[in-house]
Amino acid sequence: DQQVKQNSPSLSVQEGRISILNCDYTNSMFDYFLWYKKYPAEGPTFLISISSIKDKNEDGRFTVFLNKSAKHLSLHIVPSQPGDSAVYFCAASGFSGTASKLTFGTGTRLQVTL
Amino acid sequence: DAGITQSPRYKITETGRQVTLMCHQTWSHSYMFWYRQDLGHGLRLIYYSAAADITDKGEVPDGYVVSRSKTENFPLTLESATRSQTSVYFCASNPGQGAVYEQYFGPGTRLTVT
Repeated sequence: DQQVKQNSPSLSVQEGRISILNCDYTNSMFDYFLWYKKYPAEGPTFLISISSIKDKNEDGRFTVFLNKSAKHLSLHIVPSQPGDSAVYFCAASGFSGTASKLTFGTGTRLQVTL
Repeated sequence: DAGITQSPRYKITETGRQVTLMCHQTWSHSYMFWYRQDLGHGLRLIYYSAAADITDKGEVPDGYVVSRSKTENFPLTLESATRSQTSVYFCASNPGQGAVYEQYFGPGTRLTVT
Protein backbone atom coordinates (compact mmCIF):
# COMPACT_ATOMS: atom_id res chain seq x y z
CA ASP A 1 0.00 0.00 0.00
CA GLN A 2 1.63 3.20 -1.21
CA GLN A 3 1.37 5.71 1.63
CA VAL A 4 2.96 8.53 -0.37
CA LYS A 5 1.91 8.96 -3.97
CA GLN A 6 3.20 11.07 -6.81
CA ASN A 7 0.70 10.45 -9.57
CA SER A 8 2.57 12.31 -12.32
CA PRO A 9 5.63 10.34 -13.46
CA SER A 10 6.80 13.24 -15.60
CA LEU A 11 6.30 16.95 -16.19
CA SER A 12 7.61 19.25 -18.89
CA VAL A 13 7.73 23.02 -18.33
CA GLN A 14 9.18 25.89 -20.30
CA GLU A 15 12.03 27.88 -18.82
CA GLY A 16 10.76 30.84 -16.82
CA ARG A 17 7.36 29.29 -16.16
CA ILE A 18 6.08 27.78 -12.93
CA SER A 19 6.58 24.09 -12.21
CA ILE A 20 4.06 22.47 -9.86
CA LEU A 21 4.78 19.00 -8.52
CA ASN A 22 2.13 17.23 -6.50
CA CYS A 23 2.16 14.63 -3.77
CA ASP A 24 -0.62 12.87 -1.83
CA TYR A 25 -0.34 10.86 1.37
CA THR A 26 -2.66 8.60 3.29
CA ASN A 27 -1.16 8.34 6.78
CA SER A 28 -2.38 11.15 9.05
CA MET A 29 0.43 10.37 11.52
CA PHE A 30 3.08 11.83 9.23
CA ASP A 31 4.42 14.95 10.95
CA TYR A 32 6.97 16.35 8.51
CA PHE A 33 7.25 16.45 4.75
CA LEU A 34 10.28 16.86 2.55
CA TRP A 35 11.17 17.23 -1.10
CA TYR A 36 14.33 15.75 -2.55
CA LYS A 37 15.91 16.37 -5.92
CA LYS A 38 17.87 13.71 -7.75
CA TYR A 39 20.17 13.97 -10.73
CA PRO A 40 21.23 10.86 -12.68
CA ALA A 41 24.03 8.84 -11.07
CA GLU A 42 23.84 10.91 -7.86
CA GLY A 43 22.15 10.47 -4.53
CA PRO A 44 19.01 12.44 -3.66
CA THR A 45 19.66 15.87 -2.16
CA PHE A 46 17.39 17.62 0.27
CA LEU A 47 15.53 20.58 -1.22
CA ILE A 48 12.87 21.93 1.11
CA SER A 49 10.62 20.74 3.92
CA ILE A 50 7.51 21.65 5.87
CA SER A 51 6.21 20.77 9.28
CA SER A 52 2.66 19.47 9.59
CA ILE A 53 1.75 22.50 11.71
CA LYS A 54 2.43 24.87 8.81
CA ASP A 55 0.77 25.30 5.45
CA LYS A 56 3.55 27.02 3.51
CA ASN A 57 7.32 27.20 3.47
CA GLU A 58 9.37 29.24 1.06
CA ASP A 59 13.05 29.11 0.12
CA GLY A 60 14.06 31.26 -2.79
CA ARG A 61 12.44 29.93 -5.95
CA PHE A 62 10.98 26.94 -4.12
CA THR A 63 7.74 26.93 -2.14
CA VAL A 64 6.04 23.95 -0.56
CA PHE A 65 2.34 24.04 0.28
CA LEU A 66 0.64 21.62 2.65
CA ASN A 67 -3.11 20.97 2.77
CA LYS A 68 -3.58 18.66 5.72
CA SER A 69 -7.32 18.21 5.29
CA ALA A 70 -6.75 16.97 1.74
CA LYS A 71 -3.53 15.13 2.67
CA HIS A 72 -1.85 16.87 -0.22
CA LEU A 73 1.34 18.81 -0.70
CA SER A 74 2.83 20.54 -3.67
CA LEU A 75 6.18 21.99 -4.66
CA HIS A 76 6.21 25.18 -6.72
CA ILE A 77 9.32 26.25 -8.59
CA VAL A 78 9.23 29.82 -9.91
CA PRO A 79 10.80 30.61 -12.29
CA SER A 80 11.83 27.21 -13.60
CA GLN A 81 15.38 26.90 -14.90
CA PRO A 82 17.04 24.23 -17.07
CA GLY A 83 19.17 23.17 -14.08
CA ASP A 84 15.97 22.21 -12.29
CA SER A 85 15.56 19.25 -14.66
CA ALA A 86 15.76 16.25 -12.35
CA VAL A 87 13.63 13.67 -10.57
CA TYR A 88 11.80 15.05 -7.55
CA PHE A 89 10.80 12.81 -4.67
CA CYS A 90 8.26 13.69 -2.05
CA ALA A 91 8.86 12.13 1.37
CA ALA A 92 6.92 11.99 4.62
CA SER A 93 8.38 11.46 8.08
CA GLY A 94 6.87 9.37 10.84
CA PHE A 95 8.32 7.80 13.98
CA SER A 96 8.11 4.07 14.52
CA GLY A 97 10.44 1.47 15.97
CA THR A 98 13.64 3.27 16.93
CA ALA A 99 13.75 6.12 14.43
CA SER A 100 11.92 8.75 12.44
CA LYS A 101 11.75 7.19 9.02
CA LEU A 102 11.03 8.64 5.61
CA THR A 103 8.46 7.16 3.26
CA PHE A 104 9.09 8.20 -0.32
CA GLY A 105 6.85 8.67 -3.31
CA THR A 106 7.75 7.20 -6.69
CA GLY A 107 9.13 10.45 -8.05
CA THR A 108 8.27 12.95 -10.79
CA ARG A 109 10.73 13.62 -13.58
CA LEU A 110 10.78 17.34 -14.35
CA GLN A 111 12.12 18.55 -17.65
CA VAL A 112 12.60 22.28 -18.10
CA THR A 113 12.82 23.17 -21.77
CA LEU A 114 14.34 26.24 -23.36
CA ASP B 1 36.52 12.94 1.96
CA ALA B 2 33.98 14.41 4.29
CA GLY B 3 30.36 13.35 4.07
CA ILE B 4 28.85 10.02 3.18
CA THR B 5 30.49 7.65 0.74
CA GLN B 6 29.51 4.32 -0.76
CA SER B 7 31.61 1.60 -2.34
CA PRO B 8 31.71 0.15 -4.83
CA ARG B 9 29.81 2.52 -7.10
CA TYR B 10 29.08 -0.27 -9.58
CA LYS B 11 28.99 -4.01 -9.02
CA ILE B 12 28.07 -6.98 -11.18
CA THR B 13 27.64 -10.29 -9.42
CA GLU B 14 26.16 -13.70 -10.14
CA THR B 15 23.05 -15.26 -8.66
CA GLY B 16 23.83 -17.00 -5.37
CA ARG B 17 26.96 -14.99 -4.57
CA GLN B 18 27.37 -13.02 -1.38
CA VAL B 19 28.06 -9.34 -1.88
CA THR B 20 28.62 -6.51 0.59
CA LEU B 21 27.95 -2.87 -0.09
CA MET B 22 29.84 -0.41 2.07
CA CYS B 23 28.69 2.88 3.54
CA HIS B 24 30.87 5.30 5.49
CA GLN B 25 29.99 8.68 6.98
CA THR B 26 32.27 11.23 8.62
CA TRP B 27 29.63 13.30 10.42
CA SER B 28 29.23 10.97 13.43
CA HIS B 29 25.51 10.85 12.69
CA SER B 30 23.60 8.48 14.94
CA TYR B 31 21.12 7.22 12.37
CA MET B 32 21.96 5.40 9.18
CA PHE B 33 19.65 3.94 6.55
CA TRP B 34 19.76 1.68 3.50
CA TYR B 35 17.35 2.16 0.60
CA ARG B 36 16.87 0.58 -2.78
CA GLN B 37 15.55 2.52 -5.73
CA ASP B 38 13.52 0.73 -8.38
CA LEU B 39 11.43 2.09 -11.22
CA GLY B 40 7.83 2.49 -10.12
CA HIS B 41 8.69 2.12 -6.43
CA GLY B 42 10.72 5.17 -5.54
CA LEU B 43 13.07 4.60 -2.60
CA ARG B 44 12.20 1.80 -0.22
CA LEU B 45 13.79 1.35 3.19
CA ILE B 46 15.68 -1.92 3.67
CA TYR B 47 17.26 -1.54 7.11
CA TYR B 48 18.14 1.25 9.47
CA SER B 49 20.26 1.77 12.54
CA ALA B 50 19.76 4.16 15.45
CA ALA B 51 23.30 3.72 16.81
CA ALA B 52 26.17 1.27 16.87
CA ASP B 53 24.88 -2.25 17.52
CA ILE B 54 21.22 -1.16 17.10
CA THR B 55 19.63 -2.15 13.80
CA ASP B 56 16.06 -2.68 12.68
CA LYS B 57 14.14 -3.83 9.64
CA GLY B 58 12.57 -1.49 7.16
CA GLU B 59 9.98 -2.12 4.48
CA VAL B 60 11.89 -4.66 2.34
CA PRO B 61 14.49 -6.47 4.52
CA ASP B 62 14.26 -10.02 3.13
CA GLY B 63 17.53 -11.30 1.69
CA TYR B 64 19.64 -8.60 3.33
CA VAL B 65 21.78 -8.44 6.45
CA VAL B 66 23.29 -5.39 8.13
CA SER B 67 25.70 -4.71 10.94
CA ARG B 68 26.92 -1.61 12.69
CA SER B 69 29.93 -2.20 14.90
CA LYS B 70 31.16 1.39 14.46
CA THR B 71 29.10 4.57 14.24
CA GLU B 72 30.62 5.59 10.92
CA ASN B 73 30.11 2.35 9.00
CA PHE B 74 26.92 0.57 7.98
CA PRO B 75 27.57 -2.29 5.54
CA LEU B 76 24.74 -4.05 3.71
CA THR B 77 25.20 -7.71 2.77
CA LEU B 78 23.22 -9.70 0.27
CA GLU B 79 23.76 -13.23 1.55
CA SER B 80 22.77 -15.02 -1.67
CA ALA B 81 22.08 -12.52 -4.42
CA THR B 82 19.02 -12.91 -6.62
CA ARG B 83 18.08 -11.14 -9.86
CA SER B 84 15.30 -9.31 -8.04
CA GLN B 85 17.99 -7.58 -6.00
CA THR B 86 19.29 -5.81 -9.09
CA SER B 87 18.79 -2.20 -8.09
CA VAL B 88 20.43 1.05 -7.11
CA TYR B 89 21.25 1.12 -3.40
CA PHE B 90 21.51 4.31 -1.38
CA CYS B 91 22.87 4.80 2.07
CA ALA B 92 21.74 7.80 4.13
CA SER B 93 22.37 9.30 7.54
CA ASN B 94 20.67 11.65 9.97
CA PRO B 95 22.14 13.32 13.08
CA GLY B 96 19.33 12.06 15.30
CA GLN B 97 19.44 15.15 17.47
CA GLY B 98 16.91 17.94 17.60
CA ALA B 99 14.15 18.37 15.06
CA VAL B 100 16.27 17.37 12.08
CA TYR B 101 14.28 15.22 9.75
CA GLU B 102 16.46 15.46 6.68
CA GLN B 103 18.51 12.48 5.67
CA TYR B 104 21.74 12.94 3.76
CA PHE B 105 22.36 10.48 0.98
CA GLY B 106 25.43 8.87 -0.48
CA PRO B 107 26.01 8.67 -4.26
CA GLY B 108 24.59 5.16 -4.59
CA THR B 109 25.76 1.72 -5.70
CA ARG B 110 24.36 0.26 -8.88
CA LEU B 111 24.17 -3.51 -8.41
CA THR B 112 23.45 -5.93 -11.22
CA VAL B 113 22.79 -9.59 -10.44
CA THR B 114 23.16 -11.86 -13.48
